[in-house]
Amino acid sequence: DTEVTQTPKHLVMGMTNKKSLKCEQHMGHRAMYWYKQKAKKPPELMFVYSYEKLSINESVPSRFSPECPNSSLLNLHLHALQPEDSALYLCASSQDPRGTDTQYFGPGTRLTVL
Amino acid sequence: AQSVTQLGSHVSVSEGALVLLRCNYSSSVPPYLFWYVQYPNQGLQLLLKYTSAATLVKGINGFEAEFKKSETSFHLTKPSAHMRDAAEYFCAVTIQGYQKVTFGTGTKLQVIP
Repeated sequence: DTEVTQTPKHLVMGMTNKKSLKCEQHMGHRAMYWYKQKAKKPPELMFVYSYEKLSINESVPSRFSPECPNSSLLNLHLHALQPEDSALYLCASSQDPRGTDTQYFGPGTRLTVL
Repeated sequence: AQSVTQLGSHVSVSEGALVLLRCNYSSSVPPYLFWYVQYPNQGLQLLLKYTSAATLVKGINGFEAEFKKSETSFHLTKPSAHMRDAAEYFCAVTIQGYQKVTFGTGTKLQVIP
């Protein structure tokens, strides 16, 4: 099974809402990633978890809060977002937390902030 | 720091024609290079990856890429385009010991029937 799943597929939220994005993989991968992708742009790295510990935070605003409850799950908690945060949020995983290792991407969550 | 440049944000080819998507890299140490494809409203999928084992890398869906150190290039090719190849293609680079991958700006491939 080489699949990374993400829920929900689509999310619309107001600026005062609290919501969470969920990502799951069952490949035994030890690194998981959150990316943000705006239309017609490449993915931008937000966070990296290595062995369930946060190893990279790309200076992401605190209204985005990642959580890694176990080696298979990665959440992204959202609070007080801005309309400019509307984007496709991609989760990925890799066997090893090395950039040289292949990353497997989920289908993404399309987020719209009103 | 390493980087990649993709020449041409849009490329149009006729069905059955050669596909050539260009990627040039910049790195002070031997790079690891990737090509990913993204279909509309989907995540990224790895097409192929260069790890210094062989300069000609074959990937999925009939794609291949050749690493040319002298030209600092890693262009993606496919002999005959299919309609299903229409997608966004991203070249990416990283180096040994570095946890992040740097993506290029992407090339949108249009296949004309």
